[in-house]
Parts: sequence; C-alpha cells; structure tokens
Amino acid sequence: GAGVSQSPSNKVTEKGKDVELRCDPISGHTALYWYRQSLGQGLEFLIYFQGNSAPDKSGLPSDRFSAERTGGSVSTLTIQRTQQEDSAVYLCASSLVKGRETQYFGPGTRLLVL
Amino acid sequence: TQLLEQSPQFLSIQEGENLTVYCNSSSVFSSLQWYRQEPGEGPVLLVTVVTGGEVKKLKRLTFQFGDARKDSSLHITAAQPGDTGLYLCAGGGSTLGRLYFGRGTQLTVWP
Repeated sequence: GAGVSQSPSNKVTEKGKDVELRCDPISGHTALYWYRQSLGQGLEFLIYFQGNSAPDKSGLPSDRFSAERTGGSVSTLTIQRTQQEDSAVYLCASSLVKGRETQYFGPGTRLLVL
Repeated sequence: TQLLEQSPQFLSIQEGENLTVYCNSSSVFSSLQWYRQEPGEGPVLLVTVVTGGEVKKLKRLTFQFGDARKDSSLHITAAQPGDTGLYLCAGGGSTLGRLYFGRGTQLTVWP
C-alpha cells in the first residue's frame, strides 16, 4: 500500500479497559506523528517520532497514554484504563523528515469508550 | 487556548458563490498549510505557503500567507458541491515536527 494505514478503523471499548491502536507509515518516512481529533475540535498533537531520536511526548494528555515505534516503522499508541473523554478519532501521519515536509495522514481509528 | 483561530466555523452556501476562510494567530509560523478532510478520512494537504505575502493558486482555490506570517486565507471562487468538506489550517515551526491545527471550517456547498 502506498499510503498510511491504521488499524482498527473502529474500536468500541468499555471504560477502564486498555486499547492499542496501530499505524503503518509510508515506507521510507522517518517521521511519524499521532494526533487526536475530537468532535468539533481541530487536531490535537499527541506525540512524534523522528528516526532514532527520543520522541517528542509533549502532547500526551496523561500518563495513561504511551506510544512506541518499533524498528523505525510501525507505531502503536496505547491508552490504559480508558475514560469516556478518550473517545475521539486518532490520526497517524508520516513524513520524509520533520519540519516543512508534507505530512500524509491515515484514515484514523475511531475510538468509542462506553 | 487555540493557537490558530479559524473563521467561520461553519459555512453553507449555494453552488457558484465565492467564499473566504480565515486562519489567524498571534504567533509567527515558518510555514502554513491548508488541509481538506472528508468524513471518515484523514486530512489531505492542499497547499503549503512559506513566504510572507505569498499567494498560491490551485484552480479555483487561492491561498494567501500574511506578510507577518501570522495569518492566512483561503478563497474559493464559484464553489461546487465537490468542495464540501472540513478545511483545516495548520502552522509549522522551523524546528519542531508538530503542526498546530485550527478547529477547522466546515463548508457545505448546495447544488
């Protein structure tokens, strides 16, 4: 596939459960970003990875959120002990390098916490 | 606090009308990007402007970056139903990889 892919496309979970969201970036892209989009809101930055550098975690809303990127490619965003306010669309994007390079977005994972 | 303010939040117009969407900030950005997002999909980049005062045209869409690189506008001429979507502006810094997004303008063009 040529684009960014995310899985699952939809996830319904119960409050208190943990969830894992996956992102497959475009091959060769060294930068990977996670954003969250809530209803009526713009995209909220969560975390970004650039090559082998330490990730920028400054956007993570709480310590229940974590992300890792294995082998410089696939990334997993984990939300522990989910809360109803975590319900949102989680978008992943990748780019060749950071900065002004175009970010290509995946279709997102729609998370609903009941 | 939203770093980038977009207006209007909603816009509903008839086919053939012209419209302008604004993106304003008190901060300076090294680049300003405009995205369009359709339901169930991720945002798709329309244009990147990097120079103060820059104007870019894509068919019926005209993008302008303010001289001070704090604001931008998107003008659509003779809107068509296919232009319907959520238009997002995003500011980028010179060293940070993250983008700062506005809340978006939901445009609906009726036939």
